[in-house]
Amino acid sequence: EAGVTQFPSHSVIEKGQTVTLRCDPISGHDNLYWYRRVMGKEIKFLLHFVKESKQDESGMPNNRFLAERTGGTYSTLKVQPAELEDSGVYFCASSPGSGPSYEQYFGPGTRLTVT
Amino acid sequence: LAKTTQPISMDSYEGQEVNITCSHNNIATNDYITWYQQFPSQGPRFIIQGYKTKVTNEVASLFIPADRKSSTLSLPRVSLSDTAVYYCLVGGYNKLIFGAGTRLAVHP
Repeated sequence: EAGVTQFPSHSVIEKGQTVTLRCDPISGHDNLYWYRRVMGKEIKFLLHFVKESKQDESGMPNNRFLAERTGGTYSTLKVQPAELEDSGVYFCASSPGSGPSYEQYFGPGTRLTVT
Repeated sequence: LAKTTQPISMDSYEGQEVNITCSHNNIATNDYITWYQQFPSQGPRFIIQGYKTKVTNEVASLFIPADRKSSTLSLPRVSLSDTAVYYCLVGGYNKLIFGAGTRLAVHP
């Protein structure tokens, strides 16, 4: 069974540009999460999808970030325009169900560098 | 949301048992205690989860006292490949709340 995949693995962009990160969850997992770790900080929750609906987006830092999950399969996270403080590693995770008893399966992350 | 406290780092040697203790004094009645492991350049990986007493799987054991204000992750006979960051997570329901974790270094 394929795990969670993320693309690209690494992205380097200039401040003000736009970047789109993609996450493909494990097949059949309705729940999809985005997290990020910015430099020197802890991994922080960004948002949670159940199928194509945003269940919780309380962790989204500001309106420069837009997450979508059309059709309830893969998800994209767009940063527009990117700022220096957006640099970090963006993780995607998926799970078959909601709630603390369900393990979340993480992808390898996308390392974003904004210069 | 419960806050967790765990050692910043630990050192061990191959073949030893490693115990990492996490304190979570403000744990709520319906909170589970979950441990994740993270290797460099990878996403976190679930190790074990428990609610009370003891849980054991093929990788680790988790000991939780009756008051649930702390928990101990036990890794039996560690190897070099167990060198990683270990996170203790409590609360958050759907969203995982990560602390700084414990950086475990296993030496030959």
